[in-house]
Amino acid sequence: AQKVTQAQTEISVVEKEDVTLDCVYETRDTTYYLFWYKQPPSGELVFLIRRNSFDEQNEISGRYSWNFQKSTSSFNFTITASQVVDSAVYFCALLTGANNLFFGTGTRLTVIP
Amino acid sequence: DTEVTQTPKHLVMGMTNKKSLKCEQHMGHRAMYWYKQKAKKPPELMFVYSYEKLSINESVPSRFSPECPNSSLLNLHLHALQPEDSALYLCASSQGPGTGRMNTEAFFGQGTRLTVV
Repeated sequence: AQKVTQAQTEISVVEKEDVTLDCVYETRDTTYYLFWYKQPPSGELVFLIRRNSFDEQNEISGRYSWNFQKSTSSFNFTITASQVVDSAVYFCALLTGANNLFFGTGTRLTVIP
Repeated sequence: DTEVTQTPKHLVMGMTNKKSLKCEQHMGHRAMYWYKQKAKKPPELMFVYSYEKLSINESVPSRFSPECPNSSLLNLHLHALQPEDSALYLCASSQGPGTGRMNTEAFFGQGTRLTVV
């Protein structure tokens, strides 16, 4: 069975604080891809990052960083020095070999000025 | 071109109307998806087309009818919808791990916001 769990429903932080969004996934596939998407109030899904199951290197892109750990089936996302524009719903998603793209339930992040 | 284009952006239709949502991509992706997203919920998978063939139908009512005329186009035909079908309908495409490529991304269109009255 494929499953993506985002246990944090809502998070509020004060601007400039760091925040980590958690994602835990389940799959029996050995080849799969993990994604993070941002959905601002306007509604579109904005691609942030993709990781394949063979690449456990962590990645940093500006204020964003991702920690992929196969041992714990986690793919966590950290925003450093958060800004008001980071306020959005963030979805973690899993793409498996059957071309199924599963989403977690999302985490609503509010950054307070 | 890394875009998935959906038309129309907004659609209001009556319960007896027939309408279609359109999705187009020119990235050579062979997997295309329709998702339905209600307010404050994650996108829910409706259909997956892989190599222009319907590979997944998540028990979607027959009033939603997908069609994939070619590898770049995906349609969703709507007929006799109910008010509870009002939602954001998202199209996505991906290369897919099954093609053997090591890298893939799933790209989403901006969605069609559908209101059934």
